[in-house]
Amino acid sequence: KQEVTQIPAALSVPEGENLVLNCSFTDSAIYNLQWFRQDPGKGLTSLLLIQSSQREQTSGRLNASLDKSSGRSTLYIAASQPGDSATYLCAVNNLFFGTGTRLTVIP
Amino acid sequence: EAEVAQSPRYKITEKSQAVAFWCDPISGHATLYWYRQILGQGPELLVQFQDESVVDDSQLPKDRFSAERLKGVDSTLKIQPAELGDSAMYLCASSEGRGGNPFTEAFFGQGTRLTVV
Repeated sequence: KQEVTQIPAALSVPEGENLVLNCSFTDSAIYNLQWFRQDPGKGLTSLLLIQSSQREQTSGRLNASLDKSSGRSTLYIAASQPGDSATYLCAVNNLFFGTGTRLTVIP
Repeated sequence: EAEVAQSPRYKITEKSQAVAFWCDPISGHATLYWYRQILGQGPELLVQFQDESVVDDSQLPKDRFSAERLKGVDSTLKIQPAELGDSAMYLCASSEGRGGNPFTEAFFGQGTRLTVV
C-alpha cells in the first residue's frame, strides 16, 4: 500500500521568507501527485498537479517538483505572506494523502 | 466557476441514529470520491465511483456505511447507525478522470462536519 509522509508537521516562518515543504511516497508507480491547501474547517483547495511524466509545475509564487525515482516531491513557496498560513497536503493518485504541514507565516 | 457542492455543512446527530450526506460533483466529472478526515490527519478514501460504478470501497465500513451514485451524477453517503468514533469531516471530490488516466486533477467540496453525541 502507498504510504505518504510529510515533514515537518508544522513550520513557522517570518513574512517574506522562501520555504520548502516536503512530501515522500513509497511506491514510485504513480499517475500524479497533487498539492492542496486547507484552511481550518474548510475543504481542500488544489494548488498544483504534477502528472507522472512531468518534473515540475509552477503557479505564481508556488513551484512543485516531482522525483519519482526517489519518491519525493517538494512545494516551494516564494516570498511567503501571512495569507499563506494554512495546512498544506500532498496526495498521490487522488487516493493517498499525507498528514499535512501546518504553515504559519508571522507578519 | 464550477464547484463541488456538499450538504449539509454541519450535522450533529445522536449515537445510533442514521445520517446522510449529499454531494454534487462538477458537471461532466466521471470520478467521484468520498473521504473521511479526522482532525489533524489527512483525508482517507472511503469510496471511489467511476460514473455509477464503485471502483474502490475497500476502506468503507460496510456494516454501517453505504454509498450510492445511482445516475452517475450526484452521490449520497449514509451512516446507520452512527457511532461516536464517526465524528469527523466528510469530504467529497470529483475529477474528470476516465479511460487511460483515471487520476486527473481532483476538486473538493467544503465538506460536512459530523459530530456524533
